[in-house]
Amino acid sequence: GENVEQHPSTLSVQEGDSAVIKCTYSDSASNYFPWYKQELGKGPQLIIDIRSNVGEKKDQRIAVTLNKTAKHFSLHITETQPEDSAVYFCAASISGNTPLVFGKGTRLSVIA
Amino acid sequence: DADVTQTPRNRITKTGKRIMLECSQTKGHDRMYWYRQDPGLGLRLIYYSFDVKDINKGEISDGYSVSRQAQAKFSLSLESAIPNQTALYFCATSDPSGGTGNPDTQYFGPGTRLTVL
Repeated sequence: GENVEQHPSTLSVQEGDSAVIKCTYSDSASNYFPWYKQELGKGPQLIIDIRSNVGEKKDQRIAVTLNKTAKHFSLHITETQPEDSAVYFCAASISGNTPLVFGKGTRLSVIA
Repeated sequence: DADVTQTPRNRITKTGKRIMLECSQTKGHDRMYWYRQDPGLGLRLIYYSFDVKDINKGEISDGYSVSRQAQAKFSLSLESAIPNQTALYFCATSDPSGGTGNPDTQYFGPGTRLTVL
């Protein structure tokens, strides 16, 4: 089955700096790669996703890149703000077919 | 009102007790999921259901059972709770038809914090 590895497990950045979180997956059949943000005391919420037919997707300050050959994808947050502090999870699946398999999460702290 | 609700939000119980965690949704989604979250281990899938008559084991189903009573309700039971089942439990839903959104997006409830003494 699918296995998703996520690094780093914790990340501290200064406000205004960029943050990058990286994930690798094992199943070459996976074609859907979402990122979820979990704020304290809440359930995870989708922030951005990418499908295997594109290499990059951007939404304001966040972007995701996908390298299918290397089986890795990354989340990039620019101009970080204190409200970006949260736990971020990457995941992978075969769209519409299999449940998401999540990475172990990255705790991002943005220091003002 | 929240689209995905979980009850109870917090529960403390003793080893050997039977516990049921309930999940209800008003989103009209066919697919529902139960996850367990432990520090450093991420979200691990316990069981999932793609429609009312469908139940599937996830990565860590041992010691758990589920019931899909209706499209809107999906319950998780611990028949005989043990301390290593202490964790944060999340229910989630998704809509494979996509409706007006992404068919792969999962919508999570607020979680149930379970402590087994």
